[in-house]
Amino acid sequence: AQTVTQSQPEMSVQEAETVTLSCTYDTSESDYYLFWYKQPPSRQMILVIRQEAYKQQNATENRFSVNFQKAAKSFSLKISDSQLGDAAMYFCAYRDRKGGGSNYKLTFGKGTLLTVNP
Amino acid sequence: NAGVTQTPKFRILKIGQSMTLQCTQDMNHNYMYWYRQDPGMGLKLIYYSVGAGITDKGEVPNGYNVSRSTTEDFPLRLELAAPSQTSVYFCASSYPGTGNTEAFFGQGTRLTVV
Repeated sequence: AQTVTQSQPEMSVQEAETVTLSCTYDTSESDYYLFWYKQPPSRQMILVIRQEAYKQQNATENRFSVNFQKAAKSFSLKISDSQLGDAAMYFCAYRDRKGGGSNYKLTFGKGTLLTVNP
Repeated sequence: NAGVTQTPKFRILKIGQSMTLQCTQDMNHNYMYWYRQDPGMGLKLIYYSVGAGITDKGEVPNGYNVSRSTTEDFPLRLELAAPSQTSVYFCASSYPGTGNTEAFFGQGTRLTVV
């Protein structure tokens, strides 16, 4: 079974600074997807960024980028120019690429609570 | 564009009571899921469905039941509420393809069992 580990329960960053959230995972599969979800106090789960394991290029979405190290099974999220609205719980998640049954389910880490200080 | 809609948003139950958490999606997604989120524990899969009439257990199914009579609806039933079921519940849906990978989530139901 796949597992996702987020070793930082809480992180803080100054507004306009850069912060990196860590995520490691374990899988025997070679083809899969990785995601970062943001959960603000409203509870809504918002997709921040996704990475396809077969792509070597790291995904980028505006101020959000990832460092995907497939061999090390590491998937960190970098938030540049942090804003007050970035304060939230961030979840790393894994999903198999192959289809069928429960393969499409997401496996989540325990989350990292990010505080942004003005 | 409604997406995934969950009702209710909040509920307090007494031990032993029953209730149904409603979930409906308007994106014609085949796959639907129920997760529970406990503090410091991330989200864990309770049940999932790959289409109307087909459901299966996830990691933490005990104390819950589901049904999927239509593509749109995937209700979660708690038969005999217990304090251990105090949690935030999320319904999600996704398209069963390898191209479109995003799962869409409802806004969650905060359930307290007292």
